[in-house]
Amino acid sequence: SSELTQEPTMSVALGQTVKITCQGDSLRNYYATWYQQRPGQAPVLVIFGKNSRPSGIPARFSGSISGTTASLTITGAQAADEADYYCSSRDTGENTSVVFGGGTRLTVL
Amino acid sequence: QVQLQQWGAGTLKPSETLSLTCAVYGGSSTGSFWSWIRQPPGKGLEWIGEINPSGDTSYNPSLKSRVTISADTSQKQFSLDLRSVTAADTAVYYCARGLKGSSPDYYYYYMAVWGKGTTVTVSS
Repeated sequence: SSELTQEPTMSVALGQTVKITCQGDSLRNYYATWYQQRPGQAPVLVIFGKNSRPSGIPARFSGSISGTTASLTITGAQAADEADYYCSSRDTGENTSVVFGGGTRLTVL
Repeated sequence: QVQLQQWGAGTLKPSETLSLTCAVYGGSSTGSFWSWIRQPPGKGLEWIGEINPSGDTSYNPSLKSRVTISADTSQKQFSLDLRSVTAADTAVYYCARGLKGSSPDYYYYYMAVWGKGTTVTVSS
C-alpha cells in the first residue's frame, strides 16, 4: 500500500508562517486531507479537496499540492495551532485503503 | 448535522474479541463511508477499515484477517469486531464518517465527523 511521509516535528514563531508537507505517490490522484489533533482529543478536519475548509476552521489554514507533495500552510500561526497534524488520502489501484501520514507535531514558539 | 456516539468494552484480555459500536445521529447518511480508525498510545493514526455506501467493506491489509465491520441501517449503527487481540491492539479507537468527491483532475476523501474515541486496553 502507499505511504505518506511527513516531517515528525516542526516549530514556528508566533505570528509567522509555517508549511507542513506530505509526500506520497497516492497524491498523484487524491488531494491530501489534513487533520489537526490536540492532546487527548479526536482529530479535526482542517483542509479537504483542492483547498476547502470546513465551517469554523480559520482562514489562516490553506492547502496546496505540487506533484506528489501536498502542503498545509498556516499563515500567522497562533498558540492554539500547536497540535499534531496528519495528512491522509486513499490508496490508488486495487487496494483503496485510507492512508495516514505519520503526523507532524507543530510547536508554536 | 451528523453526530457519532461510540461505545464498547474498554478492557480486554489477550485472545478476546474487541467489539465497538457507533451510532449515527442527525443529518443525511447519503454517500457516507463509515470508518474505524485507531491510535496506539503516543503514536499516529491507523485506518482499520470501512463500510461504503453500497454496503461493501474494505480493510487495512495488516488487519484484514481479524477485522469485521458491519452496519445496521435500521438502527443507524455500525460496528467493529477485532478478533484475537493482543497488547499491540491497545489504542484509542475512533469511528468516523467519510465522504468522497472528485474534480476534473483529482479525487478527494475526507472524514469531517468523528466519534469522541474509546480507549481499549488489552492486558492479561
